Amino acid sequence: GDSVTQTEGLVTLTEGLPVMLNCTYQSTYSPFLFWYVQHLNEAPKLLLKSFTDNKRPEHQGFHATLHKSSSSFHLQKSSAQLSDSALYYCALSDGDNNAPRFGAGTKLSVKP
Amino acid sequence: GPKVLQIPSHQIIDMGQMVTLNCDPVSNHLYFYWYKQILGQQMEFLVNFYNGKVMEKSKLFKDQFSVERPDGSYFTLKIQPTALEDSAVYFCASSLGGRDTGQLYFGEGSKLTVL
Repeated sequence: GDSVTQTEGLVTLTEGLPVMLNCTYQSTYSPFLFWYVQHLNEAPKLLLKSFTDNKRPEHQGFHATLHKSSSSFHLQKSSAQLSDSALYYCALSDGDNNAPRFGAGTKLSVKP
Repeated sequence: GPKVLQIPSHQIIDMGQMVTLNCDPVSNHLYFYWYKQILGQQMEFLVNFYNGKVMEKSKLFKDQFSVERPDGSYFTLKIQPTALEDSAVYFCASSLGGRDTGQLYFGEGSKLTVL
């Protein structure tokens, strides 16, 4: 079945350094990929979603590129901010009404 | 933007009692979900619901759990009877379906404490 694998556990960075959170997937279809962000004591919110026309989605300085050849959708940002500290989930959908599959989540902690 | 409302935001009950968590999804959405998140842990899928039926459920969706959306009102998660391990934050989510199936809108969560 479809599955998503993320960078495990906690990623700790110093403010200003680049961010890269890994996400790889397995799917028998051409899936849609998503990144969700959950700040402490808040609900998860959509951060990015993949496009079908190879455009690179961007939001709040974050971007991700869907690479079908490597089955990846890594989340990147050139310069981490303290406010980026949160839990990040990568998710996959087959676009066919089945429940999206979420990864285990990666906790990003940005230090001064 | 579109909002998913959850009621109550916090409930404390004794083990063995029944609890109903209510969700008011985005108005034109067709697919509804419940997720469970124990404090400090990842969010885990419980169940998704469409057209009056459970489409898929995980192993966490025990026999004591049930969902329904009578006549387009609240989408509810009922736990009867509750157990200590049911203490968690329960997130409701909804989506339009089709190509937008993976684009979920989440409520703020209902924190359940079972004593």
